[in-house]
Amino acid sequence: EVQLQQSGPELRRPGSSVKLSCKASGYSITDYLMHWVKHRPEHGLEWIGWIDPEDGETKYAQKFQSKATLTADTSSNTAYMQLSSLTSEDTATYFCARDGLLQWFDYWGQGVMVTVSS
Amino acid sequence: DVQMTQSPSYLAASPGESVSISCKASKSISNNLAWYQEKPGKANKLLIHSGSTLQSGTPSRFSGSGSGTDFTLTIRSLEFEDFAVYYCQQYNEYPPTFGSGTKLEIK
Repeated sequence: EVQLQQSGPELRRPGSSVKLSCKASGYSITDYLMHWVKHRPEHGLEWIGWIDPEDGETKYAQKFQSKATLTADTSSNTAYMQLSSLTSEDTATYFCARDGLLQWFDYWGQGVMVTVSS
Repeated sequence: DVQMTQSPSYLAASPGESVSISCKASKSISNNLAWYQEKPGKANKLLIHSGSTLQSGTPSRFSGSGSGTDFTLTIRSLEFEDFAVYYCQQYNEYPPTFGSGTKLEIK
């Protein structure tokens, strides 16, 4: 059974960074792209980018180019997203999601809430 | 970016009824559209991709239609487990973009 298990909620100060994890089970992460999606209730769902864990290739939405860094550790079958220079605008729930073939998402993590507050 | 306009935002219906949710793209996206279901405490679930192809495990009471700019998700004979939030998503071009969601509530 494919599962994506994300790390727990995070509370960070403005200006700091956070690294979120997404551990895959039931398949090898090198076989599929991994996407990350941001969700704020008033802004909806926003695609951040993807990583190809096989070779580390990444692609980001323009607005997240300098905000997010996607990495993967094939030995632990885990994908990561680091968010830097946090502001209140980064307060959101972040999801990892497996690529289904053509940039739809066939499996999602449960989401992790990141709160940025002083 | 391709804007996805989803309607209605809220929909109230009774079990056994049928409902439809609309998703309109700001430009043609061929049939490159997916539908997802969001429920509290559960991972989002892919229901349909390619406009009308049911993902494995999606009940047959769900159907998707449309191409170009206009798409519809239809749920026939609603069951209690169907009351949730539904999103459309285009993947025809970067960046992938989502509709704003439709909350389906029990009447």
